[in-house]
Formats: sequence, C-alpha cells, structure tokens
Amino acid sequence: DIQMTQSPSSLSASVGDRVTITCRASQGIRNDLGWYQQKPGKAPKRLIYAASSLQTGVPSRFSGSGSGTEFTLTISSLQPEDFATYYCLQHNSYPLTFGGGTKVAIK
Amino acid sequence: QLQLQESGPGLVRPSETLSLTCSVSGGSISSSNYHWGWIRQPPGKGLEWIGRIYYSGSPYYNPSLKSRVTISVDTSKNQFSLNLSSVTAADTAVYYCARGAAGFDPWGQGTLVTVSS
Repeated sequence: DIQMTQSPSSLSASVGDRVTITCRASQGIRNDLGWYQQKPGKAPKRLIYAASSLQTGVPSRFSGSGSGTEFTLTISSLQPEDFATYYCLQHNSYPLTFGGGTKVAIK
Repeated sequence: QLQLQESGPGLVRPSETLSLTCSVSGGSISSSNYHWGWIRQPPGKGLEWIGRIYYSGSPYYNPSLKSRVTISVDTSKNQFSLNLSSVTAADTAVYYCARGAAGFDPWGQGTLVTVSS
C-alpha cells in the first residue's frame, strides 16, 4: 500500500495568512493526487485534482503543486470559510489511500 | 447536477451485515468514464477507502476489508450498494458514496452507521 504522510496534523492561523499543507507519498505517484476540504458534519469536497488543477467553482486562493512523492496545498490568503480539515488522496494505485488530515483552526 | 444519496439502517447488530445503497440522480451510472466508490470515516477520525465498482461490474476492494465486503451495481435503478459482513464496533462510521475518476467528486452527504447490540 502507498502511505500518505500529511503534515502538519493541525495548525492555527489568522484570516489573511498564507497556509501550506504537505503530503508525502511512500513511493512515486506521478501527479495522481487530489486535495479535499471537509467541514464538520459535511462530506469532503474536492478542491484540487491531478495535483495542481483547480476544481471548477473553487476559489483561486487554493493551489496545489508537486509530483512524484511530495505535494503541497497552499491557501494564499486564509478566509473565515476556509477553517476546516484538509485531506490528500492518492489514486495512483490500489488501495486508494488518504493522508491523515490537517485541521486548520482559527488563531 | 449529479447527486448521490446513501440510504440504509443506522443501527446494525454486531456480527450482522451492514447494507447500504447509493442512489444516483441527475446523471446515469452507466458511464464508462467513471467508477462508483464507498469511503468511510469513523467518528473523529480520518477517511478510509472501502472499494469501487464500474457500471459493468469489476469490483475492487481494500485488502483490509476484502474478506467482508461486497459492492454491487444495479444500472436499472441507477444505484450501487455496499454489504459489509460480520461487523464489529470498529465498523461504526459515517459511510459515503462517491463518483470516482481521478479521485472522488461528487460525494453523497454520508450516513452514520452504528454497530451496537
């Protein structure tokens, strides 16, 4: 199985801050990675696919980068509605595996 | 706009079988471009992929659950289903269905299934 190590597991930030979350794959997965946002009591919502492509309707302050084993999700200017938990998901090989999640809280 | 909705019992007894159905609306399940998946999330924990199926069949399961999982599809009803046998308290989770293609989008709202006597 491909292990996805996500860091940090939690962070606190202020509105307007730049936030970066990292996912590291235990082996190369090309760009077969997506980023998801989950708010309490809600289903995850895809923000980024193919490592760096923005899902339709997602604000441009979200961006993704990386390839191979190292990936990042960046929120350029944190907004109040961005406080949530973020997960990465690799779909390069089965079983599909998620990162452990990063909870973004208000400082 | 494609929508998915999970349905099934919210309470299952230990050692019994958990059965859920995902109804797809706003589009056809019979597309070769997508697969249809199940993901679960224990309370307060992370996400775990359970398995997926194409409209034509060919299920694929997470090895960690493979001996207990069956996913099936009913194209006439535009639905797909999950059966998880011999459940224990560790199977208590919110179960999501989702459309798959380079990840998952969209997702159903999720349904909480509690395993308890």
